[in-house]
Amino acid sequence: DAGITQSPRYKITETGRQVTLMCHQTWSHSYMFWYRQDLGHGLRLIYYSAAADITDKGEVPDGYVVSRSKTENFPLTLESATRSQTSVYFCASSPRDTLNYGYTFGSGTRLTVV
Amino acid sequence: AQSVTQLDSHVSVSEGTPVLLRCNYSSSYSPSLFWYVQHPNKGLQLLLKYTSAATLVKGINGFEAEFKKSETSFHLTKPSAHMSDAAEYFCVVSDLSSNYQLIWGAGTKLIIKP
Repeated sequence: DAGITQSPRYKITETGRQVTLMCHQTWSHSYMFWYRQDLGHGLRLIYYSAAADITDKGEVPDGYVVSRSKTENFPLTLESATRSQTSVYFCASSPRDTLNYGYTFGSGTRLTVV
Repeated sequence: AQSVTQLDSHVSVSEGTPVLLRCNYSSSYSPSLFWYVQHPNKGLQLLLKYTSAATLVKGINGFEAEFKKSETSFHLTKPSAHMSDAAEYFCVVSDLSSNYQLIWGAGTKLIIKP
């Protein structure tokens, strides 16, 4: 199916465990993004990627790792999960002209760290 | 540095009455401005965008917003609210200083009373 898909939709993990959130898009968009959404903070950018093998930090990158070996995939890894990383995570993609086309978001992954 | 302030965390209106969601921004450059909508437990959808063309921007579902540079505002309006408009709305700004990354407001929850 065309679009941007995130998996899993829900995840519960324990403090200290490594967890990877997956994001896949079918449009060959250049840009991909990871955001976290917390009450009172709106969306905050974790990492973004302008193309395969090019990634850069956003506003809140600490504790997260990303990779982009293929244009269509942009996984986000929490190397050692903490309770403060309990959040809803959104992946987004955009063509090169991000301002005129805006971003397309996935449905989100609700992560709970216990 | 850019910033965006949504002046109301919650707005409650009766069905059939006008909607006004307020947004003020700060930008040193010519900004691009967006409104996104998020329905409960859903992803984010682009409602409308301003990118230096007409200052009155029309979006989906009857929403529109007016860019007022002198007031640094980009308020979202709709003449007549519908129950399906109940959602959270995010005002977003982007400009050269952020390398065109999106800066998000904290969101306004729109409540529609029957």
